[in-house]
Amino acid sequence: RKEVEQDPGPFNVPEGATVAFNCTYSNSASQSFFWYRQDCRKEPKLLMSVYSSGNEDGRFTAQLNRASQYISLLIRDSKLSDSATYLCVVNRGGRRALTFGSGTRLQVQP
Amino acid sequence: DAGITQSPRHKVTETGTPVTLRCHQTENHRYMYWYRQDPGHGLRLIHYSYGVKDTDKGEVSDGYSVSRSKTEDFLLTLESATSSQTSVYFCAISDVSGLADTQYFGPGTRLTVL
Repeated sequence: RKEVEQDPGPFNVPEGATVAFNCTYSNSASQSFFWYRQDCRKEPKLLMSVYSSGNEDGRFTAQLNRASQYISLLIRDSKLSDSATYLCVVNRGGRRALTFGSGTRLQVQP
Repeated sequence: DAGITQSPRHKVTETGTPVTLRCHQTENHRYMYWYRQDPGHGLRLIHYSYGVKDTDKGEVSDGYSVSRSKTEDFLLTLESATSSQTSVYFCAISDVSGLADTQYFGPGTRLTVL
């Protein structure tokens, strides 16, 4: 079983739609959580950190459920520019740091 | 954007040849990481460094070695390249040991081993 699991998609949605991605992690000792965005043939870039209380950044909302070991990302009012792969990332703590999911691909269509 | 560069950006080489990839940062960050990214696997940690001359193995370190003689440079060497090492290699830096802090990635090196 992979340590971080995501639905690979692709999610094909029209502009303006709301889309949600989910991610599960297996290590209950994981300490911190992130969503990264990766455009085609580019490097991953931090989208947002994920906190237990939930956090929002504009059209993006991230939630963490530690009991279920589940992380989510909600994108409202999707834009064409949101088309990318979204990586769920978990920090187990210590120097070895981050574990990446394989990513969920989003394609927003006009 | 974080000041991270990788060289070369693209390389095609033959099986059995040695290859060295370079990561250079201008941020003076202590921690540096090498990942590889393959379809269906996400990014996997190869080696990392927590200071000059201090390095350690990640989850897919076999066939790779690293060196860090200066804060700003982290080298990844494939001693004898194999076709299974065809991949995209990303370097990342962090100011804090993995604990909650962001890793910033370089632009990547696309390596093909024939």
